[in-house]
Amino acid sequence: DTGVSQNPRHKITKRGQNVTFRCDPISEHNRLYWYRQTLGQGPEFLTYFQNEAQLEKSRLLSDRFSAERPKGSFSTLEIQRTEQGDSAMYLCASSLDRTRGNTEAFFGQGTRLTVV
Amino acid sequence: TQLLEQSPQFLSIQEGENLTVYCNSSSVFSSLQWYRQEPGEGPVLLVTVVTGGEVKKLKRLTFQFGDARKDSSLHITAAQPGDTGLYLCAGVLEGSARQLTFGSGTQLTVLP
Repeated sequence: DTGVSQNPRHKITKRGQNVTFRCDPISEHNRLYWYRQTLGQGPEFLTYFQNEAQLEKSRLLSDRFSAERPKGSFSTLEIQRTEQGDSAMYLCASSLDRTRGNTEAFFGQGTRLTVV
Repeated sequence: TQLLEQSPQFLSIQEGENLTVYCNSSSVFSSLQWYRQEPGEGPVLLVTVVTGGEVKKLKRLTFQFGDARKDSSLHITAAQPGDTGLYLCAGVLEGSARQLTFGSGTQLTVLP
């Protein structure tokens, strides 16, 4: 399987608990992105990595959210002290950095988080 | 305010009809992509356009990038029930760090 892989596919957690999601990108891709998507909306950018460096974070990424990509391969997204408003689909995508103007991102199947 | 505005938001048509979905912005994009997403799944890349005025065809789907690289359209000919899904446009802003910005999507339903 050469696609982007996300685990788990579904996560139900109680409010206040911490959760961690994992993303394995396409192996030769050096860029990795995290997005959040709520029902009926397009994905919203959270953060991205170039290799192991986290280069940009959205204002949507509060202090309770942290993302890592320690060896420039897989990435984890942790949410601490979850709130009901965190319920959403969390999408990971990867791309191969190309010359200006052509950045094709490929998405995983997402992790559906439900906070009860 | 959405950087990329998609219209219509919802579209329900009969099998065999043609349709066009629009993606508009006041900003210039260095590239623009179209995705299709099914419930509970991640978006699947359909096409990338990078040159103003570019037209790409994928079977019954025709994609166009505006001359000024501020807008795009997706035209489907003879729609089929299998075309049902959420169609998303996403662009990389000119001069940005290349993160994708998404529109809010067009939910297409093709009835048999």
